[in-house]
Amino acid sequence: SAVISQKPSRDICQRGTSLTIQCQVDSQVTMMFWYRQQPGQSLTLIATANQGSEATYESGFVIDKFPISRPNLTFSTLTVSNMSPEDSSIYLCSVEDQLGSNEQFFGPGTRLTVL
Amino acid sequence: SQQGEEDPQALSIQEGENATMNCSYKTSINNLQWYRQNSGRGLVHLILIRSNEREKHSGRLRVTLDTSKKSSSLLITASRAADTASYFCATVISGGSYIPTFGRGTSLIVHP
Repeated sequence: SAVISQKPSRDICQRGTSLTIQCQVDSQVTMMFWYRQQPGQSLTLIATANQGSEATYESGFVIDKFPISRPNLTFSTLTVSNMSPEDSSIYLCSVEDQLGSNEQFFGPGTRLTVL
Repeated sequence: SQQGEEDPQALSIQEGENATMNCSYKTSINNLQWYRQNSGRGLVHLILIRSNEREKHSGRLRVTLDTSKKSSSLLITASRAADTASYFCATVISGGSYIPTFGRGTSLIVHP
């Protein structure tokens, strides 16, 4: 099973600023996933990050707002740009357990509050 | 709307009692998964049941799947205070994306 860490674990940010969240996996993985969980809500997939290519964004999410980097097979970053209070959420990265298993391992999450 | 919807939204029980949570979904699935989330942290995968399976067990967990009713249930037997968490079902749709789609979750509180 993969061990995933995220930085920061939480942050309080001002409106209009940007925050970059880091996700580190202890093994090489093909795909990494970024989710948003708004207060009291379910998880919503933001994008899938592949190494060496552009991230694939889900409907309602755009690269200008949530730029993603995937420089190697163990690391990814998600930036939340030009933040507003509506961006206050928990942001989670995940990886698939074994290719084709559909089971996901999640990082501990980044709790973001935008004032 | 969500593919999976959990019921109830919140459940409060005493330690030692059983907890049952239900999940209903709309379209045909390849598999259905249950996850646990403690205090707004990362999710932990509990169990996966495939569309051709009807029941699976893992320790104190029992999951059933009824594809004719498009529903699943998660039973936690002899609950403990440490079981207090939110529980999410997630579905992988047949012929669609392999990435699970999550429901809104059931918040379980187990009182010692």
